[in-house]
Amino acid sequence: SYVLTQSPSVSVGPGQAARILCGGDNIGSKSVHWYQKKPGQAPVQVVYDDSDRPSGIPERFSGSNSGDTATLTISRVEAGDEADYYCQVWDRSSDHWVFGGGTTLTVL
Amino acid sequence: EVQLLESGGGLVQAGGSLRLSCVLSGFISRNYVFNWVRQAPGKGLEWVAHVSDSGDTTSYADSVKGRFTISRDHSRDTVYLQMDSLGPEDTATYFCAKGRGSGRWSSFGHWGQGTLVTVSS
Repeated sequence: SYVLTQSPSVSVGPGQAARILCGGDNIGSKSVHWYQKKPGQAPVQVVYDDSDRPSGIPERFSGSNSGDTATLTISRVEAGDEADYYCQVWDRSSDHWVFGGGTTLTVL
Repeated sequence: EVQLLESGGGLVQAGGSLRLSCVLSGFISRNYVFNWVRQAPGKGLEWVAHVSDSGDTTSYADSVKGRFTISRDHSRDTVYLQMDSLGPEDTATYFCAKGRGSGRWSSFGHWGQGTLVTVSS
């Protein structure tokens, strides 16, 4: 089955840019989606189809996808961005949705 | 306003059953696919099951296939997850998630708040 790999944690200072990586075999050929998850809250989609932003999501959130790595970039990070971030793809061969293990973003 | 409201969670003994419900409002539900996703305590998100817009097609994660059944009732604007032969490994918060469209590949644009399922051994 298809596997998505994320680093467990990323730390940045407020106002800096955070880059959260999601690795997968030829992931550039798939559509990647990103979700923000805070404790006790429902997940929120922050990027879909590699780089599109749902309505209401700040422009500070952006995505890219090429080769074996997809990237979620959060520019000008704020304290409220502290959360777990998950990448996701649909694996056509297995007809399964797959999530990465999640990356915890800490704002220093 | 799009709303998904889950219910039906609770404490159950291993080997028991539960049925989760997800009541939909604020949109025409028959135009969208739905999924269930769970998060065990201290763990990441895990996709559980998918149902098509018509309700005719379903798919399941290997960890629940043969034990869980997803279904929907258009007349009630509700999506269900019947969970049988539950084990402690099924302990998690279960989220209902709405696809962005009607395609199998539609990502999860809206989520409910979740319902907690605890399975005792």
